[in-house]
Amino acid sequence: DIQLTQSPSSLSASVGDRVTITCRASERISTDLNWYQQKPGKAPKLLIYGASSLQTGVPSRFSGSGSGTDFTLTISSLQPEDFATYSCQQSYSSIQTFGQGTKVEIK
Amino acid sequence: QVQLVQSGAEVRKPGASVRVSCKASGYSFTGYYIHWVRQAPGQGLEWMGWINPNSGGADYAQKFQGRVTMTRDTSITTAYMELSSLTSDDTAVYYCGRDRHYSVWGSILYWGQGTLLTVSS
Repeated sequence: DIQLTQSPSSLSASVGDRVTITCRASERISTDLNWYQQKPGKAPKLLIYGASSLQTGVPSRFSGSGSGTDFTLTISSLQPEDFATYSCQQSYSSIQTFGQGTKVEIK
Repeated sequence: QVQLVQSGAEVRKPGASVRVSCKASGYSFTGYYIHWVRQAPGQGLEWMGWINPNSGGADYAQKFQGRVTMTRDTSITTAYMELSSLTSDDTAVYYCGRDRHYSVWGSILYWGQGTLLTVSS
């Protein structure tokens, strides 16, 4: 199976900060990388698909980039509602996998 | 609107099996893959597999091979995930999700509300 490693596992940031989360794949996955946001007790929400395409309705402060093995999710100006856990997922292989998640906490 | 409604919480003893259902509405059921994802308490998301509701074909994460079966009933637009030989490590919230893309696997756009499975003697 393709392994996804996210970094950092957690971070503390303030409202207005620029936040970057990385996801590294154990083999090349083209741009078949998706990002999700999850809040406690809720189902995940799709933010970015195809590495850089913003899902309809997601604020433009979220962006994704990368291809091959290295990907990033950037939040340009962190808002109070953005404190959550973010997970990457690869859909390159029929057998999909998630990263372990990155928890974004309030500093 | 697209909705995925899952069956209610379950409690099982170790060694037992469980079947979770996912009732879909608001779209063409046979057009989109259904994924199953679980989340143990305090842990990350774990992809279990998908089913193609059109063909009934499925693919599973290696970890669950031989222990999970995903099926569907197109007449009632419902997908099922059955997990056998349960242990306490299977205690988790189980989610079904509909793929974003028509007729192929990809990202998961719509999610069910989750089903809590507790495995305890």
